[in-house]
Amino acid sequence: AQRVTQPEKLLSVFKGAPVELKCNYSYSGSPELFWYVQYSRQRLQLLLRHISRESIKGFTADLNKGETSFHLKKPFAQEEDSAMYYCALGTDSNYQLIWGAGTKLILQP
Amino acid sequence: GAGVSQSPRYKVAKRGQDVALRCDPISGHVSLFWYQQALGQGPEFLTYFQNEAQLDKSGLPSDRFFAERPEGSVSTLKIQRTQQEDSAVYLCASSPTQDGPYYEQYFGPGTRLTVT
Repeated sequence: AQRVTQPEKLLSVFKGAPVELKCNYSYSGSPELFWYVQYSRQRLQLLLRHISRESIKGFTADLNKGETSFHLKKPFAQEEDSAMYYCALGTDSNYQLIWGAGTKLILQP
Repeated sequence: GAGVSQSPRYKVAKRGQDVALRCDPISGHVSLFWYQQALGQGPEFLTYFQNEAQLDKSGLPSDRFFAERPEGSVSTLKIQRTQQEDSAVYLCASSPTQDGPYYEQYFGPGTRLTVT
C-alpha cells in the first residue's frame, strides 16, 4: 500500500540550529514527492517538490530512492520557519496525493 | 488575483442533517481536488475533477458523500445524513494543469464541519 510516514509530530529546535524533518514513503513505482507548509492562520502552500530541485526559503530536500526518503533540511533555522510541514506522495497509478500526518516545527529563541 | 475560496468557513450540523460545502477554484484551473482532514492528521484525498469530469472518487468514505462540478468551475461537496465521524476540516485545492497530483495545488482555507 502507498503510505507516507512523518515520524515526528513535533520538532523543537533552537534558532540558528540545523533542521531536518523526516519523511519516508512506501511506493514501488516512480514517486513524485512534495513538501507543503502551513503557517499559523494561513492556508496550505507548496514549499518544494523533488522534481524541481530548488531551494526555497533555504530549505532543500533530496529524494533517496534506496532509503525511500525525502527529508527536508535547512542549515540554520529561523523564527519564521515555525509552521506545520506535510510531506506528500504522488503516484502514476491514480490522481491522489497521499499525505503524511505532518510535523509541527517550533523554534526556540 | 483571487485564490481558492470555500464557504462556509465553519458549519455546525446536527447528526442526520445534510450539508453542502462550496469551493470556488482559481479561475481557469482545470483540476480540482477535495480532501478531508481530521484533527492531528494530514489531508486525505476524497475526489478529483478534471473540468466537469469526476475522474477519481475512490476516496469518498461512503455513499453519503457526493461531489459535483457541473460547469467545470465551482464545486460542491454534499454530505447526507451527517455522522459524528464526519467532523473534520474539508479542504479544496485547484491546479492549472491536467497532470493530476503532479503539479502544485493551491488550497482554500477549508471548511470546518462539526457534527453534534
